[in-house]
Amino acid sequence: DADVTQTPRNRITKTGKRIMLECSQTKGHDRMYWYRQDPGLGLQLIYYSFDVKDINKGEISDGYSVSRQAQAKFSLSLESAIPNQTALYFCATSGTGPYNEQFFGPGTRLTVL
Amino acid sequence: SQQGEEDPQALSIQEGENATMNCSYKTSINNLQWYRQNSGRGLVHLILIRSNEREKHSGRLRVTLDTSKKSSSLLITASRAADTASYFCAFYAGGTSYGKLTFGQGTILTVHP
Repeated sequence: DADVTQTPRNRITKTGKRIMLECSQTKGHDRMYWYRQDPGLGLQLIYYSFDVKDINKGEISDGYSVSRQAQAKFSLSLESAIPNQTALYFCATSGTGPYNEQFFGPGTRLTVL
Repeated sequence: SQQGEEDPQALSIQEGENATMNCSYKTSINNLQWYRQNSGRGLVHLILIRSNEREKHSGRLRVTLDTSKKSSSLLITASRAADTASYFCAFYAGGTSYGKLTFGQGTILTVHP
């Protein structure tokens, strides 16, 4: 089984709908991240969490919210989806320590019509 | 912006040739990492080079780091069609970016059989 899983893998929704993307990990890592990738661009950090009680905004948090339900689960919500939130969304984890490699999930392709 | 910059944006070569990708950054770093992304998939960590290292090898990969020039390069030797992917550099910038990876915009590598 994959160490970092994301559900759903693909989602098409309409403007104004609430959407939740879920991430689970079996690596036992404390740190979890949500990124967004737009075509031809690198990754932009949306939110990150260094442990269950520590959640921080990234570069592009407007329009997004997160919930860290447990060490292994980190969910990203779009409260009212808009078309320019159409993108690939990735969850990642890393071990304790500020400079470790990150392990990525397979991504969720979200389309907002 | 603290984002890394990569060049070339795209690289097309024949199987067996070497591929070189470059990354530049603007801040002090603890380490620099390279990731690979197959089309539409999650990123996979390739190699990490610490700020006190100048060169590192892993299989057909060779990474160099010049902290005085704030640049790094990734060399893939004897490329194969399976190396076709996007390659991203990433680094921890420190300061207010503590614990957060900053990604370059990526180089798209195409290896023709």
